[in-house]
Amino acid sequence: DGGITQSPKYLFRKEGQNVTLSCEQNLNHDAMYWYRQDPGQGLRLIYYSQIVNDFQKGDIAEGYSVSREKKESFPLTVTSAQKNPTAFYLCASSWAGVPTDTQYFGPGTRLTVL
Amino acid sequence: QQPVQSPQAVILREGEDAVINCSSSKALYSVHWYRQKHGEAPVFLMILLKGGEQKGHDKISASFNEKKQQSSLYLTASQLSYSGTYFCGTEWDAGNMLTFGGGTRLMVKP
Repeated sequence: DGGITQSPKYLFRKEGQNVTLSCEQNLNHDAMYWYRQDPGQGLRLIYYSQIVNDFQKGDIAEGYSVSREKKESFPLTVTSAQKNPTAFYLCASSWAGVPTDTQYFGPGTRLTVL
Repeated sequence: QQPVQSPQAVILREGEDAVINCSSSKALYSVHWYRQKHGEAPVFLMILLKGGEQKGHDKISASFNEKKQQSSLYLTASQLSYSGTYFCGTEWDAGNMLTFGGGTRLMVKP
């Protein structure tokens, strides 16, 4: 079955540690995205990538880093520079192009900083 | 800027109707609607492109008023399964990234 997988589902981290969230898709989509969701709020774009080896900052990129070495993978690293990292992180993918195509979301990773 | 959704929350009885609005301060190219169950991924409902079109999806439909820079989602004869948070994502120009509203929490009770 085609889809997007994110791992782990729950992640606990101590303050000052970097942590990497995994996102893999087998939909052959060109574009991939990372969003952050805080309780009771909407989705905010962290980073996006429309092609391998290229990515762009979203609205809240500070304290995060990404890589796009393979079309199907787009890992997100939450660094110690992110002051308030506890949140629900969602990865999405879509066909690139105009108009913006439907974004399909993974199940999410809930990150808690202890 | 983030689109504004209204109402922020609504409680319905099964079979009742609801309207959720999504308003933008900028001209819109497209509006995307998603529904999210608690702790789960958002699920795509529909896309509307500028031109004032209306789309339907079973008993859930939506309209897009380009002049008013607004989209509305209509839920007819609501079912328990409609409960969740509804988000609109707006695109201001072709190829721009989506900007999501703060969501509308919908609860359908028996």
